[in-house]
Amino acid sequence: DTGVSQDPRHKITKRGQNVTFRCDPISEHNRLYWYRQTLGQGPEFLTYFQNEAQLEKSRLLSDRFSAERPKGSFSTLEIQRTEQGDSAMYLCASSSQSFGGNEQFFGPGTRLTVL
Amino acid sequence: QQQVKQSPQSLIVQKGGIPIINCAYENTAFDYFPWYQQFPGKGPALLIAIRPDVSEKKEGRFTISFNKSAKQFSLHIMDSQPGDSATYFCAASLTGTASKLTFGTGTRLQVTL
Repeated sequence: DTGVSQDPRHKITKRGQNVTFRCDPISEHNRLYWYRQTLGQGPEFLTYFQNEAQLEKSRLLSDRFSAERPKGSFSTLEIQRTEQGDSAMYLCASSSQSFGGNEQFFGPGTRLTVL
Repeated sequence: QQQVKQSPQSLIVQKGGIPIINCAYENTAFDYFPWYQQFPGKGPALLIAIRPDVSEKKEGRFTISFNKSAKQFSLHIMDSQPGDSATYFCAASLTGTASKLTFGTGTRLQVTL
C-alpha cells in the first residue's frame, strides 16, 4: 500500500492524558499536513511541514499541541493534557511540491475520543 | 470567518439522477479548487480539481463547473449510483507554500434505488 498511513486508527483516552499520533506520508511527497475534523464538519487545517520544516500553524493549534517531522519523512502529532473538546478525527495528508503541491492525499485518520 | 460556503447540506437523488453541489468562496487569491469524497470512518479521497483558467472539467462521471466572476464552483455527478452515497466536500487553496486547504462544510448525498 503506497498511500498515506496513520496510526493508531482509534484512540480512547481519559481527560488530562497525553496522546501521540503518527503519520507516514506517500514516500516521494515532501509536504505533510495535519487537519482536524469534527462530526458533521469539513476538515480544518492545523499545521504543515515542507520536508522537516514546520512552515505554518493554525490558531487552532494551542500550546498543548505539538507536531514534528524530524527527518522529513513521518510526522507525529502530540496532544498534552487532553480535553473533551479535543475529541475529533485527526487527518494527515501529503503532497508533492514538484507537482505544485496542491494535490493532497489523505490518510484514513485517527479518531480520538477523550472521556 | 467561513471562506468557503457549501450547499446544500444534504441531498437525496434517485439512481441515474444528477446531483449538483455548490460552493462559493471569498478569497480571490485562491487558485485551486478540489472536491473530495468521504465515506463514514474514512479519510477524504480526492475526486477532481480545477484551476480558475478553465470553466469546466470532466473526469468520468464527475464534472466541475467554475464561474470566476461569481466566485462559485459546483460538482455534478452524472448517472449517479447508490455507491456514490457519501459526503462531498469542496475546498480551496493557494498554490505555493501556503497550500493548506480550506474546506466547505460538506454535503451528505444519498442515492436511492
